[in-house]
Amino acid sequence: SQTIHQWPATLVQPVGSPLSLECTVEGTSNPNLYWYRQAAGRGLQLLFYSVGIGQISSEVPQNLSASRPQDRQFILSSKKLLLSDSGFYLCAWSVGVYQPQHFGDGTRLSIL
Amino acid sequence: GENVEQHPSTLSVQEGDSAVIKCTYSDSASNYFPWYKQELGKGPQLIIDIRSNVGEKKDQRIAVTLNKTAKHFSLHITETQPEDSAVYFCADILTGGGNKLTFGTGTQLKVEL
Repeated sequence: SQTIHQWPATLVQPVGSPLSLECTVEGTSNPNLYWYRQAAGRGLQLLFYSVGIGQISSEVPQNLSASRPQDRQFILSSKKLLLSDSGFYLCAWSVGVYQPQHFGDGTRLSIL
Repeated sequence: GENVEQHPSTLSVQEGDSAVIKCTYSDSASNYFPWYKQELGKGPQLIIDIRSNVGEKKDQRIAVTLNKTAKHFSLHITETQPEDSAVYFCADILTGGGNKLTFGTGTQLKVEL
């Protein structure tokens, strides 16, 4: 069966520090991968998605970037964190089109 | 762009009662409608989904109905239990839109004893 792992589960970082969040998927090949941010109050905002290695689409302009160095690995990064980057970051995967996305358990990021 | 509206934002029911959450979508090209349940501190989990060629789908206490003419779909939970308490999200995918989900704003369901 397929599983998705995100780490760390929680992270506290100072303003201006770099960021690297990692997501890996097991049990499937060539998945579509997604990064979302969920601010307090529920809404999910799509940040990036990838249909293959090295292919990244950005949905909103921001201080973050994403990379996909391997088929089942998706990384969210920042060179300098802002206070507004605080939130709950979720990674998800799907296979094919018009198929459900399956989410990891997220990383709670707090910027001080 | 596509817009999905979800109502109500909060819903409180007594244990054993039914709960209904409704969503409307704007683009008639929407063809896939999943529902997610999110518990505190966790990622959303898919609980049921429906495709545009089906009007209703049921899985034990959970059912989803789709009205393509009116562009709305609903989640029905019967015989609610305390463990049903969570935030529920509807979403859709557009034909030709890749596999990008547009989410509703969520419903906080509380099942009271």
